[in-house]
Amino acid sequence: QSALTQPASVSGSPGQSITISCTGTSTDVGAYNYVSWYQQHPGKVPKLIIYEVSNRPSGVSNRFSGSKSGNTASLSISGLQAEDEADYYCNSYTTSSTPKYIFGTGTKVTVL
Amino acid sequence: EVQLVESGGGLVQPGGSLRLSCVVSGFTVSSNYIIWVRQAPGKGLEWVSVIYSGGNSYYADSVKGRFTFSRDTSKNTLSLQMNSLRGDDTAVYYCARGLYGAYAFDIWGQGTMVSVSS
Repeated sequence: QSALTQPASVSGSPGQSITISCTGTSTDVGAYNYVSWYQQHPGKVPKLIIYEVSNRPSGVSNRFSGSKSGNTASLSISGLQAEDEADYYCNSYTTSSTPKYIFGTGTKVTVL
Repeated sequence: EVQLVESGGGLVQPGGSLRLSCVVSGFTVSSNYIIWVRQAPGKGLEWVSVIYSGGNSYYADSVKGRFTFSRDTSKNTLSLQMNSLRGDDTAVYYCARGLYGAYAFDIWGQGTMVSVSS
């Protein structure tokens, strides 16, 4: 199973909004509403910021939002802040034969 | 406090074996699903294995037949037995707890580094 496709980098100025795409196939992203997103600062542990496409865990800023259309999921960050500069990874559950959790290729977000 | 702590990483020669542990606190392994995720130096996240509350475990194709994910419910501990290690297994290995019903992972350990080199 190949990794989900994300843009290598996305940038924006403070206060702006950005969107990161995560493209899979009809057997993973397109088949289940089990897409999650993780934020990872350099040298730190990944942090769950979105689950089940659009749900935010308690304590995660409402500036983060998720959506899905067909085989592509998206993470949007509004009101971009310096602390949002990090790597972002999507993940999709799939079970074409056995359960698998496929990560995206990762996106580096730079705050200009 | 809900916590996962990995240990057991180190330097091993190609073809060798290593056993990683993930000790959990604040919840029971018998009632939760847990994954291992690895991250090679400078690279992205890669799912390795999952074990469900019923005890069944599943693996990424890249480690199937070489890695075994097990648990000891009496000690609330999980283990990843890694055999026939290769250079591309070099990575930080994280264990993480599954969020009930969501197929996502909300609590992560700090990771343990595995280096495979001669």
